Amino acid sequence: AQSVAQPEDQVNVAEGNPLTVKCTYSVSGNPYLFWYVQYPNRGLQFLLKYITGDNLVKGSYGFEAEFNKSQTSFHLKKPSALVSDSALYFCAVRAHNAGNNRKLIWGLGTSLAVNP
Amino acid sequence: EAGVTQFPSHSVIEKGQTVTLRCDPISGHDNLYWYRRVMGKEIKFLLHFVKESKQDESGMPNNRFLAERTGGTYSTLKVQPAELEDSGVYFCASSPGPVPYEQYFGPGTRLTVT
Repeated sequence: AQSVAQPEDQVNVAEGNPLTVKCTYSVSGNPYLFWYVQYPNRGLQFLLKYITGDNLVKGSYGFEAEFNKSQTSFHLKKPSALVSDSALYFCAVRAHNAGNNRKLIWGLGTSLAVNP
Repeated sequence: EAGVTQFPSHSVIEKGQTVTLRCDPISGHDNLYWYRRVMGKEIKFLLHFVKESKQDESGMPNNRFLAERTGGTYSTLKVQPAELEDSGVYFCASSPGPVPYEQYFGPGTRLTVT
C-alpha cells in the first residue's frame, strides 16, 4: 500500500533561518513526489515535484526538495525563511506503475510558522 | 487565466438535507479531481474525471455521494442525504493531464452538517 508520513504537525523557525519540512513515503517501485502549500483561506498551490532524474528539485518561492531513495524521503527545504512562508504544507506520492491505483496519496500536512 | 473556482465557499446544512457543490476547472483541463479533508486528517481522494467520464471513483465514501461532469466542463458533487461525518472541506482540482501533471486547486467548499 502507498503511504506518506509527515512526522511533524508543526515546524517553527525564525525568519532568515533555514527551514526543513519532512516527508517520508512508501510505494512499490519508483515514486512521483509532490509538495503543495496552502495559505489561509486559499486552495492548495503546487510547489515542486520529483518525477525522475536529478535528486534535487527546485520549485516556486525559493523552495527545493531532495529525493533520497535509500531513506524514502523527500524533505522540503528553503535556505532562508520568510514570514510569508507561514502556511500548511502537504506532501503527496504516487507510484510510477500504480496499475489501477492511480490517485495521489497525501500526508497529514505540516504547519510552518516563521517568526519575525 | 482564471483559476479553479468552487461554489459555495461555505455551506451549513442539517443532517438529512441535500447539498450540491460546484467546481469550475481551468478551461481546457480535461482532468478534474474531487478531494475531501476532514479537520486534522489527510486529504482524501474522492474521484477523478477525464472529460465527462469517471476515470476513478474508488474514493467515494458511499452511494450518498454523486458526482457529475456533464459536457466535460464544470462538475457537481451532490450529497444526499447528508450525515454528520460528511463535514469537511471539499476541494476540486484540475490538470491538463493525469499524474505526474501538477494539479490546480480551487479554494474549497467548507461543508458543515449539523
